[in-house]
Amino acid sequence: LAKTTQPISMDSYEGQEVNITCSHNNIATNDYITWYQQFPSQGPRFIIQGYKTKVTNEVASLFIPADRKSSTLSLPRVSLSDTAVYYCLVPSYSGGGADGLTFGKGTHLIIQP
Amino acid sequence: NAGVTQTPKFRVLKTGQSMTLLCAQDMNHEYMYWYRQDPGMGLRLIHYSVGEGTTAKGEVPDGYNVSRLKKQNFLLGLESAAPSQTSVYFCASSYTDRVNTGELFFGEGSRLTVL
Repeated sequence: LAKTTQPISMDSYEGQEVNITCSHNNIATNDYITWYQQFPSQGPRFIIQGYKTKVTNEVASLFIPADRKSSTLSLPRVSLSDTAVYYCLVPSYSGGGADGLTFGKGTHLIIQP
Repeated sequence: NAGVTQTPKFRVLKTGQSMTLLCAQDMNHEYMYWYRQDPGMGLRLIHYSVGEGTTAKGEVPDGYNVSRLKKQNFLLGLESAAPSQTSVYFCASSYTDRVNTGELFFGEGSRLTVL
């Protein structure tokens, strides 16, 4: 099973850049790394996905080193509304194929004024 | 465009009662999933389906059954509810195999309390 490890919580301030690192030592060759955001009482929302090097969209950037054993979600100039739980996911495997995206406990990001 | 819709959004059951949660998606997605989330925890996969008429067990399937009779619907059943099944249930769907490039679309959740 490809498991992920990420900090339980992080604090930052409005306008700062926030980097959340996730380790996934057993990631398989063809696996992508996906990040989700979840606000209280809502379902998770897809943020970004990548395979290697760097991916950027209108919300965030994702940095993946060559060994792919970790990845870093970068949120530029955060605001109070970025306070949420962020999940790093890689596929989980049981038997012959992937059978789901395993959500760990995520990182609770708190943005202060 | 409704996306993923879960019914009901709230429900209170007594121990031993049965109920069914309905998930409907209007995006013509092949893959559908049921997760549960307990306070302070991440989401754990209960069951999933890779297409109409198929179902498979996830990480925590015990005490639940599922059916995918129609492509757009994925039902989660509790035959004899237990207090340990008090949780928030999330349904999700994806077009492609999310292993590689698929993005999961989640519903708003169904909060179930078993007394």
